[in-house]
Amino acid sequence: SYELTQPPSVSVSPGQTARITCSGDALPKKYAYWYQQKSGQAPVLVIYEDSKRPSGIPERFSGSSSGTMATLTISGAQVEDEADYYCYSTDNNGNHPNWVFGGGTKLAVL
Amino acid sequence: QVQLQVSGPGLVKPLETLSLTCTVSGGSISSYYWTWIRQPPGKGLEWIGYIYYTGSTNYSPSLKSRITMSLDTSKNQISLKLSSVMAADTAVYYCARTYSDSSGYPRGWFDPWGQGTLVTVSS
Repeated sequence: SYELTQPPSVSVSPGQTARITCSGDALPKKYAYWYQQKSGQAPVLVIYEDSKRPSGIPERFSGSSSGTMATLTISGAQVEDEADYYCYSTDNNGNHPNWVFGGGTKLAVL
Repeated sequence: QVQLQVSGPGLVKPLETLSLTCTVSGGSISSYYWTWIRQPPGKGLEWIGYIYYTGSTNYSPSLKSRITMSLDTSKNQISLKLSSVMAADTAVYYCARTYSDSSGYPRGWFDPWGQGTLVTVSS
């Protein structure tokens, strides 16, 4: 089955740049999406189609993808960015694509 | 503003069938995919599957043998049934409206999400 691999945790100081990676074999051909989930809340989309930012998401959130790795970057991370982050994508099975979430990365800003 | 409300029993016995309903208000279920996602306590998100407004479905391979999704367009509801549940199925279950691309394929864009409901599998 298809898998997306994320680091379990990332830690930065306020104002630093946080980078969260997501590795998957189909990422060269499939978009990555990134969700932020704060404790007790439903996830919120912060990046779609590798690098696009939905309206209302701060400019400090950006995304990129190269080869089999997608990256979520938070430039100038703030305390309120502490959350779990999940990448989401699909495999290359055209008729019945298998969508998966990465295991999630807990971002600490302290 | 579209809102999703997930409802169903909070406690299900092992080997029984979990049944949840996602009721859409403020909009129609037409023209969208509707995805079910779950999250075991303290763990990550898991894609369960989706149903298109036409009724076509796509399920997670790991759950496919136990899942049924359906629509009731007259009630603007999407339903999830998961049979033969076990303790590992204990999770918060979410439904989410899912956008499609220009070719009609689902994108990974979920908005909005339902509030999520905790279903515990226990005797």
